[in-house]
Amino acid sequence: DAMVIQNPRYQVTQFGKPVTLSCSQTLNHNVMYWYQQKSSQAPKLLFHYYDKDFNNEADTPDNFQSRRPNTSFCFLDIRSPGLGDAAMYLCATSSDRDSSTDTQYFGPGTRLTVL
Amino acid sequence: GNSVTQMEGPVTLSEEAFLTINCTYTATGYPSLFWYVQYPGEGLQLLLKATKADDKGSNKGFEATYRKETTSFHLEKGSVQVSDSAVYFCALTLPLNAGNNRKLIWGLGTSLAVNP
Repeated sequence: DAMVIQNPRYQVTQFGKPVTLSCSQTLNHNVMYWYQQKSSQAPKLLFHYYDKDFNNEADTPDNFQSRRPNTSFCFLDIRSPGLGDAAMYLCATSSDRDSSTDTQYFGPGTRLTVL
Repeated sequence: GNSVTQMEGPVTLSEEAFLTINCTYTATGYPSLFWYVQYPGEGLQLLLKATKADDKGSNKGFEATYRKETTSFHLEKGSVQVSDSAVYFCALTLPLNAGNNRKLIWGLGTSLAVNP
């Protein structure tokens, strides 16, 4: 089945130690997103890639970076995690090639714990 | 501005009860409307969607009708099960061809607990 995959599902890191979360997709969608979600609140968009074009949200801290080496993969890098960065990180994809509606499909998420 | 308002939870029901979770929106233009579900410890799953007025989205026994006159997209299910216990999010996007960004605008989520 076509899907959005996130690895790992659970990640533990130390305060200040860089961490990378990964997302891959088999949907061949051209848009990929990273969200942060805390305590079943609504997800907060960090940034997205439209094809190779990176689009950062104005309030996303510089501590968060992203890479998209190809259509299928996207990475979230947290350069110096703080305790406040502990959250669920969700990857999503969408395609605007066939429709005027941008439906986003989510992966299972990575739960990040910062010690 | 554009926004989504959901009824506050938590909602607690007995198995086989009827479910309604209210969702209303404010948007310029003609948004697409979505319901996402998040089961405990998991990511978000698209439950259903509707892209134009009077469309009805349906999936897994859940339904929601896009009502432009009342700017609403209420989620309903005739008979809930314990396995429906989750957080439900209503969301919208604006049409891409109108120069809008592709950002999902979210409601705050409604937690549903179904007891046996």
